Amino acid sequence: EDQVTQSPEALRLQEGESSSLNCSYTVSGLRGLFWYRQDPGKGPEFLFTLYSAGEEKEKERLKATLTKKESFLHITAPKPEDSATYLCAVQPTNFGNEKLTFGTGTRLTIIP
Amino acid sequence: DSGVTQTPKHLITATGQRVTLRCSPRSGDLSVYWYQQSLDQGLQFLIQYYNGEERAKGNILERFSAQQFPDLHSELNLSSLELGDSALYFCASSVRDRGGVTDTQYFGPGTRLTVL
Repeated sequence: EDQVTQSPEALRLQEGESSSLNCSYTVSGLRGLFWYRQDPGKGPEFLFTLYSAGEEKEKERLKATLTKKESFLHITAPKPEDSATYLCAVQPTNFGNEKLTFGTGTRLTIIP
Repeated sequence: DSGVTQTPKHLITATGQRVTLRCSPRSGDLSVYWYQQSLDQGLQFLIQYYNGEERAKGNILERFSAQQFPDLHSELNLSSLELGDSALYFCASSVRDRGGVTDTQYFGPGTRLTVL
């Protein structure tokens, strides 16, 4: 069964203090690893898709990287508006099964 | 705004009742997914429809059912409701990326269900 574990559960940073969020996964075959951002009471907002080990993607202050067992979401010089829960999810390679298995998320708080 | 719409935003009902949640996917998306998010369990996949046909099933209770209509909108029906069914219910729709490798799922704003 596919599993996703995210750490830490919660992270408080000062504005401008860079850090990384971790996503460890086990899946029989990885079709894609996804990062989403979720604000309280709202739907997850798509950030990145990573397909294979060694791949990196960047968007503003966020950079996502992928290895064979984990992914990192690096946040550089964060601002208060980056405060949210960041969710990681995996999609298996099985044809006809596009479901996402999510981790429980990292709740990030950026203090001004 | 993801382009996925869900109604209603909030629903308050009593135990034993039945409700219907509605989802309209992004224009052109053929796949619709339903997920449940509760405080203690995170986002859990319920069911997927592709162009009107059921494609994959997760841990969806027998009291729950879904369908996708010819215009591609989908409904999730929850019956004999229990207190533990209180949660956020999200719909997502997917578009295949240019390489055709995987489907990026875009989520709607959700329906918050409260069962009293």
